[in-house]
Amino acid sequence: GIQVEQSPPDLILQEGANSTLRCNFSDSVNNLQWFHQNPWGQLINLFYIPSGTKQNGRLSATTVATERYSLLYISSSQTTDSGVYFCAVGPLGTSYGKLTFGQGTILTVHP
Amino acid sequence: EAGVAQSPRYKIIEKRQSVAFWCNPISGHATLYWYQQILGQGPKLLIQFQNNGVVDDSQLPKDRFSAERLKGVDSTLKIQPAKLEDSAVYLCASSVGQVEEAFFGQGTRLTVV
Repeated sequence: GIQVEQSPPDLILQEGANSTLRCNFSDSVNNLQWFHQNPWGQLINLFYIPSGTKQNGRLSATTVATERYSLLYISSSQTTDSGVYFCAVGPLGTSYGKLTFGQGTILTVHP
Repeated sequence: EAGVAQSPRYKIIEKRQSVAFWCNPISGHATLYWYQQILGQGPKLLIQFQNNGVVDDSQLPKDRFSAERLKGVDSTLKIQPAKLEDSAVYLCASSVGQVEEAFFGQGTRLTVV
C-alpha cells in the first residue's frame, strides 16, 4: 500500500516562530488532507489539498503532486497550535475518505 | 452545521467483555468511515459504508469486530470479545460522497484492562 512519511517527528518552538512540516508519499493520490489533532483527540481539518497552494490565516499548505510531497507552513506560532499534525492521503482510484495517515508531527509551542 | 457525533467519549472494560460505539454522521453525508488510532500512531481505516452498504471492510478484524449502518445514517461498531490490544481511540468520519473530504468526530477512547 501507499506509504506516508512525515518529518520532523517532533518540533519544539517558541511562540512567534515559523515552522515547516513535510509529508512525503510513495504513490499518486487523488486526496491529501492535513489535520491538527488537539489535546482532546479531535481531528480538525486544516486543508484539503491534493495539489496546489492554499492559505488560511497563519497556515498555508503546498502540494507538489508530481514530486509526491506536501508542506504545511505555520507562521507566528501560538501556544494553541500545539498538538499533533497529520498528513493523510487517498490513493488514486479510492474514496477520498479512505485515508492513509502518516505518523504525525508533534508540535509544542512554548510561551 | 453540527459535526460528527460519537458516544461514549470514554470506555473502560475488562478483556473478553464486549463494547459498542455509536456514531451519528453530519446530516446528509452518505459515506461513513470507522478508524482505529492506537496511541502514538496515525488513524487506520477499519471499515467504509456508503449509505447502508459496506464498501470496504478488508481491514476489519472480523473475528471480533462488527459494524452496521442499518438505516444509512447512524452506525455502531462492536467489539466482542475485547483484547488488551484493542485499547485505542475509535474515530468515526463522514463525507458527502466518496469524492469529497472527510470530517472526523471526537472519537471514543477505549481502555481494555
